[in-house]
Amino acid sequence: SQQGEEDPQALSIQEGENATMNCSYKTSINNLQWYRQNSGRGLVHLILIRSNEREKHSGRLRVTLDTSKKSSSLLITASRAADTASYFCATDPMNTGFQKLVFGTGTRLLVSP
Amino acid sequence: SAVISQKPSRDICQRGTSLTIQCQVDSQVTMMFWYRQQPGQSLTLIATANQGSEATYESGFVIDKFPISRPNLTFSTLTVSNMSPEDSSIYLCSVGTSGTQETQYFGPGTRLLVL
Repeated sequence: SQQGEEDPQALSIQEGENATMNCSYKTSINNLQWYRQNSGRGLVHLILIRSNEREKHSGRLRVTLDTSKKSSSLLITASRAADTASYFCATDPMNTGFQKLVFGTGTRLLVSP
Repeated sequence: SAVISQKPSRDICQRGTSLTIQCQVDSQVTMMFWYRQQPGQSLTLIATANQGSEATYESGFVIDKFPISRPNLTFSTLTVSNMSPEDSSIYLCSVGTSGTQETQYFGPGTRLLVL
């Protein structure tokens, strides 16, 4: 399977703490994206980082990408209870067709008040 | 961005029956995709819905089981045929944007339980 791996599978923290999730993938990519899913509902796009970028910020989110290690991390700073959700990385592999995303296994984040 | 709706939002079906899921987008889009998310699992791409031509299926998914229609640039349907309990999943459609934006926007999903 080409599916990416994420760790940890589950993460439980207190409000105000930072949360870090890691994603590893298997093939060369055009870009890597992070999505959030609340309680088995639709996915919300968080951030996209292209293969020639190393770091990107969006509000409380910081994403890094290391293409030599085929890995990425998502950092959520000053977490809130509303950040409780599942987080998925998704890669857009090279040479597989336009936007055919491959999703990682996901991290379930629980932020307690 | 695109606003996507799916019908039904959930359903409980008997084995051996079929269910058609609708996906409606508020703007014309080139790429539409269908994903399956089995309980507690990640998303797996079923197929790319191509307007005016047959869908392109991923390995492990076949047209007889998951027929797809794409009659225009704002609408698609996915049918789950001859259902078994193993088909119990969330089915999500998504749309892709062309040009320099690679983001996909997802519908709210259809939660299917097959008894």
